[in-house]
Amino acid sequence: EAGVVQSPRYKIIEKKQPVAFWCNPISGHNTLYWYRQNLGQGPELLIRYENEEAVDDSQLPKDRFSAERLKGVDSTLKIQPAELGDSAVYLCASSSGLAGGPGTGELFFGEGSRLTVL
Amino acid sequence: GQSLEQPSEVTAVEGAIVQINCTYQTSGFYGLSWYQQHDGGAPTFLSYNALDGLEETGRFSSFLSRSDSYGYLLLQELQMKDSASYFCAVSLLDTGRRALTFGSGTRLQVQP
Repeated sequence: EAGVVQSPRYKIIEKKQPVAFWCNPISGHNTLYWYRQNLGQGPELLIRYENEEAVDDSQLPKDRFSAERLKGVDSTLKIQPAELGDSAVYLCASSSGLAGGPGTGELFFGEGSRLTVL
Repeated sequence: GQSLEQPSEVTAVEGAIVQINCTYQTSGFYGLSWYQQHDGGAPTFLSYNALDGLEETGRFSSFLSRSDSYGYLLLQELQMKDSASYFCAVSLLDTGRRALTFGSGTRLQVQP
């Protein structure tokens, strides 16, 4: 079974430019997460989707970040315009149920998209 | 808000046993997970505790004490490939926030 697929793996842009990241979750997983991981830190939740509905986007900087999950499968995270502080790894994860609900608490992560803003 | 504390670095030798502690302060705590992440790789799930006690999975064990807001990951028979970062993460019951909140991670270096 294929895992969570993300692209691009690496992206280098100049500040004020736009950038987009794509995620294809594990087939059948209705919950999708975008996390941001700064160097030497743990992942921080940006947004969580249940099917196509964004149910937790409280940590998403909405002035420059946007996300969508059309048809409840693939998802795109966009930054426009990018700032120097946005340099990080953007991780997508999926799960078949709610982390913390009945189950194992297991999220399946992709390898991430490493963004460098110059 | 939530906060998790774990040591930033731990060093051990091959074949030894190492324990990585995690203390947390949260409201609506449901369970504690552990993830492993090699440099440049994806975080991968190791274990999950929702009830007090020890969960064993091969060389890895995880412990939880809800009354002490404390847990640990125990790695036995350390191998070089265990050199990685280890994150504890809490899952919460709060409506609309059923995602994992991660600690800052513990970097484990296994030496020959």
